[in-house]
Amino acid sequence: KQEVTQIPAALSVPEGENLVLNCSFTDSAIYNLQWFRQDPGKGLTSLLLIQSSQREQTSGRLNASLDKSSGRSTLYIAASQPGDSATYLCAVDDYKLSFGAGTTVTVRA
Amino acid sequence: KAGVTQTPRYLIKTRGQQVTLSCSPISGHRSVSWYQQTPGQGLQFLFEYFSETQRNKGNFPGRFSGRQFSNSRSEMNVSTLELGDSALYLCASSLELSGPSTDTQYFGPGTRLTVL
Repeated sequence: KQEVTQIPAALSVPEGENLVLNCSFTDSAIYNLQWFRQDPGKGLTSLLLIQSSQREQTSGRLNASLDKSSGRSTLYIAASQPGDSATYLCAVDDYKLSFGAGTTVTVRA
Repeated sequence: KAGVTQTPRYLIKTRGQQVTLSCSPISGHRSVSWYQQTPGQGLQFLFEYFSETQRNKGNFPGRFSGRQFSNSRSEMNVSTLELGDSALYLCASSLELSGPSTDTQYFGPGTRLTVL
């Protein structure tokens, strides 16, 4: 059974600081890994998808890396802004998405 | 292009009743998945439909069922509701042009179900 862990559970940083969110998974037989953002009471917004054959993906201020062999992914958010405050979820796809519990980020103005 | 839509957005039911939730995927998407989100268990996979067939199923009791129609719209049904079924139910769709698990999953806003 796939287990996905996200560390830390919560993070508070001042505006402008870079964010580093970690995700680990137990079974490396995955097809892809996705990072999502969830605002309170809302659905999930897809941020980045990394296929299992890729090492990283970038979109604007976001960069995600994937090391399938060690079962790790890291999401970097550069120059954080108050609008980045949300819960960030990582999910691995092995024909279904298995989610971590998320990292709740607060960016202080 | 319209996103994934879910109806209704909020529902209040009592124990023992049944409920049907609806999901309309992004136009052209053929795969629809359902997830349950609770504070205690987080996000858990319920089932996935592709071309009107259930392709994968999570570890939920038989009270949870679903179906997909020829236009890819999907419904999920929960019978004999229990207090523990109170949750945010999320639907996601993906294109899967190149096969399963190859494309981004796009989520709807969810249906908030409260069981009293």
